[in-house]
Amino acid sequence: EVQLVQSGAEVKKPGESLKISCKGSGYRFTNSWIGWVRQMPGKGLEWMGIIYPGDSDTRYSPSFQGQVTMSADKSISTAYLQWSSLKASDTAMYYCARSPAIRDGMDVWGQGTTVTVSS
Amino acid sequence: DIQMTQSPSSLSASVGDRVTITCRASQSINRYLNWYQQKPGKAPKLLISAASSLQSGVPSRFSGSGSGTDFSLTISSLQPEDFATYYCQQSSSTPRYTFGQGTKLEIK
Repeated sequence: EVQLVQSGAEVKKPGESLKISCKGSGYRFTNSWIGWVRQMPGKGLEWMGIIYPGDSDTRYSPSFQGQVTMSADKSISTAYLQWSSLKASDTAMYYCARSPAIRDGMDVWGQGTTVTVSS
Repeated sequence: DIQMTQSPSSLSASVGDRVTITCRASQSINRYLNWYQQKPGKAPKLLISAASSLQSGVPSRFSGSGSGTDFSLTISSLQPEDFATYYCQQSSSTPRYTFGQGTKLEIK
């Protein structure tokens, strides 16, 4: 079964750093893209960016460039999304999802990671 | 950035109804248009890619059409499990893929 399993919910304080993960299984992790999508409470979906674990080619939405860092460790089939200094406005659900090719739809989704940033 | 505008933002319908949701792009995206369904508390699910390609396992009552700037998602006969929020997404302009604002489909 093709699946993406994300790390668990996080509660952090403003200014703290965070790295969440997304582990793929059931397919060749290096041959597809992994995208990240933000959903703030009660709001719609926002596309953050996409990474190709095969060579770590990464494309960020301008809205998120410089705000987050995407990375991948192909040896353990895991993609990451990280923040160096969280803000309250980063409170959201974050989803990873697979795209077989860069312009394909996102056909497999992780279950989501809730990030809460509060003092 | 390419703006994606869905209409309507919300819709009330009954089981058995035929429903159409539209999505308009601010510039041509060829057929790089995907449709997702999201139920409360769940991750989105890809229904249709490349404007009209039905994903494996998605019921045939769902269909997509369009190209250029105007697209639509049609559900031919609403079932109880179809009440959800639907999003379009353009994947034409890397790395500025954008979603529509969503259409909430509710039971009348």
